[in-house]
Amino acid sequence: KNQVEQSPQSLIILEGKNCTLQCNYTVSPFSNLRWYKQDTGRGPVSLTIMTFSENTKSNGRYTATLDADTKQSSLHITASQLSDSASYICVVIGAGTYKYIFGTGTRLKVLA
Amino acid sequence: EAGVAQSPRYKIIEKRQSVAFWCNPISGHATLYWYQQILGQGPKLLIQFQNNGVVDDSQLPKDRFSAERLKGVDSTLKIQPAKLEDSAVYLCASSSDPNTEAFFGQGTRLTVV
Repeated sequence: KNQVEQSPQSLIILEGKNCTLQCNYTVSPFSNLRWYKQDTGRGPVSLTIMTFSENTKSNGRYTATLDADTKQSSLHITASQLSDSASYICVVIGAGTYKYIFGTGTRLKVLA
Repeated sequence: EAGVAQSPRYKIIEKRQSVAFWCNPISGHATLYWYQQILGQGPKLLIQFQNNGVVDDSQLPKDRFSAERLKGVDSTLKIQPAKLEDSAVYLCASSSDPNTEAFFGQGTRLTVV
């Protein structure tokens, strides 16, 4: 069964600190992997998109890594800000089907 | 560029009532998705349209949910009759084709009491 699992489920950090969110998946074959940020009450917004041949992709303070061999991805947030408080969702798109398979997300809270 | 528009933003109904949600995708986007997101979970695909045709509705509870995209642009999602477990955020997303990035609307938060 194609699955995407994320950890931790929730995370609280202080402003200015770094954090890393994890995503493990069993989807195979896959077309690409995406990280989305979802603010409370809003739709998900794409942060990074990586194909299976890419190892890392950055978007400002967000850096995503991908290990297609171990089927693991991580999202690293540097120098966190209060506005980073949101849910971060890992999504794997199946090759051929192009179905979006969503993880359950990590809820991040950044405290002043 | 205007994003995906959804309405209403919030809706509260009693169980067994009917409700409809509306979505206007980004102009020119042929692919449209409806997702259901229950609190604390990731979005679950309900139905995917390519223009006005249904590509995937395997997870749509067809006994109570229906969706249409008659002219290949706007779409409506209907629930009739609603159950308590239908309380969720209903997200609409669109993309130019199934292999490109999907952009999400802000969602409609449905509460069934």
